[in-house]
Amino acid sequence: ETGVTQTPRHLVMGMTNKKSLKCEQHLGHNAMYWYKQSAKKPLELMFVYSLEERVENNSVPSRFSPECPNSSHLFLHLHTLQPEDSALYLCASSQGRLAGGTQYFGPGTRLTVL
Amino acid sequence: AQKVTQAQTEISVVEKEDVTLDCVYETRDTTYYLFWYKQPPSGELVFLIRRNSFDEQNEISGRYSWNFQKSTSSFNFTITASQVVDSAVYFCALSGKETSGSRLTFGEGTQLTVNP
Repeated sequence: ETGVTQTPRHLVMGMTNKKSLKCEQHLGHNAMYWYKQSAKKPLELMFVYSLEERVENNSVPSRFSPECPNSSHLFLHLHTLQPEDSALYLCASSQGRLAGGTQYFGPGTRLTVL
Repeated sequence: AQKVTQAQTEISVVEKEDVTLDCVYETRDTTYYLFWYKQPPSGELVFLIRRNSFDEQNEISGRYSWNFQKSTSSFNFTITASQVVDSAVYFCALSGKETSGSRLTFGEGTQLTVNP
């Protein structure tokens, strides 16, 4: 595997389900990000992890719970989601959090909440 | 506050035409970085280019070229002799050294359709 991978690629869940999104980066980076991309909206940064520590949480509802067990893996745990949470969830990684660091993105998980 | 504006929501061209995607940015940082990403229908954002604010030299990579002009706060992207495979959404993004670190501010994207 190379670059940034995400699983699953597609997920359909009910509002009462609990599921997790997984992201893995093979680039040796130490910062990872979760973004949400809804139809007709700009990309929204959700969480930033640096050296496995959460350094940014942009007012994301608690039904989204991130986890970063090591610098290569990032999870997004989902529970009791709402239909408006249906979106493309993108993971990215970069080397450090200094400005100018290029973020490399995974292919995304297309989430549908019924 | 930082802002990136991509005024062209959708562009449609015929194969082999040249096309320019506009990007205008706002920032109070003196050191900042500009990026272009391509998002094909598969969903992945593919990194195309990174440019820092001190380097105004234009860049060419194959059929792609970028025109950075600080005087007009613009970082436009031109595809020469477009191909059907260029069809995608293209995003311009900005990060500022003083105010945002690695945090990217994205434009709303331009949907490019190249017809055969």
